[in-house]
Amino acid sequence: DAKTTQPPSMDCAEGRAANLPCNHSTISGNEYVYWYRQIHSQGPQYIIHGLKNNETNEMASLIITEDRKSSTLILPHATLRDTAVYYCIVRDGNGGSQGNLIFGKGTKLSVKP
Amino acid sequence: DTGVSQNPRHKITKRGQNVTFRCDPISEHNRLYWYRQTLGQGPEFLTYFQNEAQLEKSRLLSDRFSAERPKGSFSTLEIQRTEQGDSAMYLCASSFLGTRLNEQFFGPGTRLTVL
Repeated sequence: DAKTTQPPSMDCAEGRAANLPCNHSTISGNEYVYWYRQIHSQGPQYIIHGLKNNETNEMASLIITEDRKSSTLILPHATLRDTAVYYCIVRDGNGGSQGNLIFGKGTKLSVKP
Repeated sequence: DTGVSQNPRHKITKRGQNVTFRCDPISEHNRLYWYRQTLGQGPEFLTYFQNEAQLEKSRLLSDRFSAERPKGSFSTLEIQRTEQGDSAMYLCASSFLGTRLNEQFFGPGTRLTVL
């Protein structure tokens, strides 16, 4: 079962920041938080990952709370092309015994003009 | 294009027929994964390979399913005696074990419809 809880859907106005929350209250010390997204009719795409520090790349920022029980993915200036299902995944950062990803249902983000 | 490719992109078959899907991973990637995704759900793990060795199978992978990666490069997923419940998107992903990230790159998927 997925170790994360996400809202099923969110709306965001084009050009505004999209803030997608994720709860992972049972996360263990060696587990990372990963975010993937899936645009309609495509395979999932890696966005970002983090352990305990905030992270930023060209796609997004990841804010992880100090207790690591929740995180927020931030798309600073959402565009219509960011409309997708966003998955928050917790797993061992070294790939663990298998490295497979356990997806929940994710958050369907709709960016509106 | 050096990404993960999957063929065919769409497959329609009749119940009871056998189907085979192919996945070509990114060339230097030594891990290859198969997932299944049904409508409204996130992808579910089926099995994975490290090089040519199949190291893990999910309980979702019934005995009608078989996967191979004969030379540690491309992989095939075969479903025998298809059932309507097999209708889904079958996704392949690859990664390179040896980096801490082990980021998985997904293909576009093969959508199977069993009539």
